[in-house]
Amino acid sequence: EAGVTQFPSHSVIEKGQTVTLRCDPISGHDNLYWYRRVMGKEIKFLLHFVKESKQDESGMPNNRFLAERTGGTYSTLKVQPAELEDSGVYFCASSPREGAAFFGQGTRLTVV
Amino acid sequence: DQQVKQNSPSLSVQEGRISILNCDYTNSMFDYFLWYKKYPAEGPTFLISISSIKDKNEDGRFTVFLNKSAKHLSLHIVPSQPGDSAVYFCAAVAHNFGNEKLTFGTGTRLTIIP
Repeated sequence: EAGVTQFPSHSVIEKGQTVTLRCDPISGHDNLYWYRRVMGKEIKFLLHFVKESKQDESGMPNNRFLAERTGGTYSTLKVQPAELEDSGVYFCASSPREGAAFFGQGTRLTVV
Repeated sequence: DQQVKQNSPSLSVQEGRISILNCDYTNSMFDYFLWYKKYPAEGPTFLISISSIKDKNEDGRFTVFLNKSAKHLSLHIVPSQPGDSAVYFCAAVAHNFGNEKLTFGTGTRLTIIP
């Protein structure tokens, strides 16, 4: 069974540009989460989808971040326009109705 | 305000000995705790969990202990093996209103010395 897949694995963009990160959860997992780790600090929650609905987006830093999960399958996280402080590793995770979350390998975003 | 704290950024342990990783939390609404292990350039991998109704959960070489009154949990690895060298994250969940988000600590880098 395939795990959580994230694309791209690395992205380097200039300040002011737009970047879109993609996450393919484990098939059948209704819960999908986005997290971010900045500069070796703790992994911080961004938002939580249940199927295609946003259950909790309290961790989204500001309105430059937009997450979607059309059809309740894969999800995208768009940053527009990107700022220097958005650099970090973005993790996606998915889980079934009950149980631990499984994480993807992450997307390392560098804004220069 | 960090609700989950791992005060030891690093720990070195001799192979074959016991590794003890500690975690403290402040939010009394947390009712489920997890440990994740992370290798470089990979995502966190689920290791073991414990519900707040228990004080111990064991899975092979890994045991998690929970002390609710002290708001403290620990992960014991015995015997420690070189493949255990990784960053270990403690995480907590407060299951209110269907919330399943994880609150992580900053991690402890464990190095097993052969």
